[in-house]
Amino acid sequence: NAGVTQTPKFQVLKTGQSMTLQCAQDMNHEYMSWYRQDPGMGLRLIHYSVGAGITDQGEVPNGYNVSRSTTEDFPLRLLSAAPSQTSVYFCASRRDSYMNTEAFFGQGTRLTVV
Amino acid sequence: SQQGEEDPQALSIQEGENATMNCSYKTSINNLQWYRQNSGRGLVHLILIRSNEREKHSGRLRVTLDTSKKSSSLLITASRAADTASYFCATDQAGANSKLTFGKGITLSVRP
Repeated sequence: NAGVTQTPKFQVLKTGQSMTLQCAQDMNHEYMSWYRQDPGMGLRLIHYSVGAGITDQGEVPNGYNVSRSTTEDFPLRLLSAAPSQTSVYFCASRRDSYMNTEAFFGQGTRLTVV
Repeated sequence: SQQGEEDPQALSIQEGENATMNCSYKTSINNLQWYRQNSGRGLVHLILIRSNEREKHSGRLRVTLDTSKKSSSLLITASRAADTASYFCATDQAGANSKLTFGKGITLSVRP
């Protein structure tokens, strides 16, 4: 049981480039989300999804796009990378958003935008 | 905006001592959760306490919740060097499509 898998683990982008951070879970969880972690800021919610075909914005959605075509996958797209998007990105899944459930996290993607 | 705020920001104790970390939050919640993050790793869930619960135990962990004060505490008893990590509280806000909102975290160092 792999849990939540994120790829890549590390990435360096040039300003203006686009890329997709991949996230997959094999627990049949309905709820998936993306966070970014910056020093002194804790984790901030970027986007989340309560099921296939449904996405919504979190606290810091600007510059990011998501889609949820399957239950398993929840990719995060950076449309035009900026240095302010240098961060560690975490994908998390939960069984659902209505019951009292814990979140399972991937190992993170460390992104540097130069 | 950040829902949970942990206190203190950093804590250094000797192995064998107890570590107490506090969390305050702002709005009504369904539950409050504590997570641990080892350096360079993802977050790992430790314990969940529901809004109608006041205290919960799991091994060496004890969590309390005071909804009237909108605060929680995490106690780690008989700490070990392996407990060295960052600890985060997260609140599941009341309402549909609830979002898990994290605080900024507490850095715990346990000296051997």
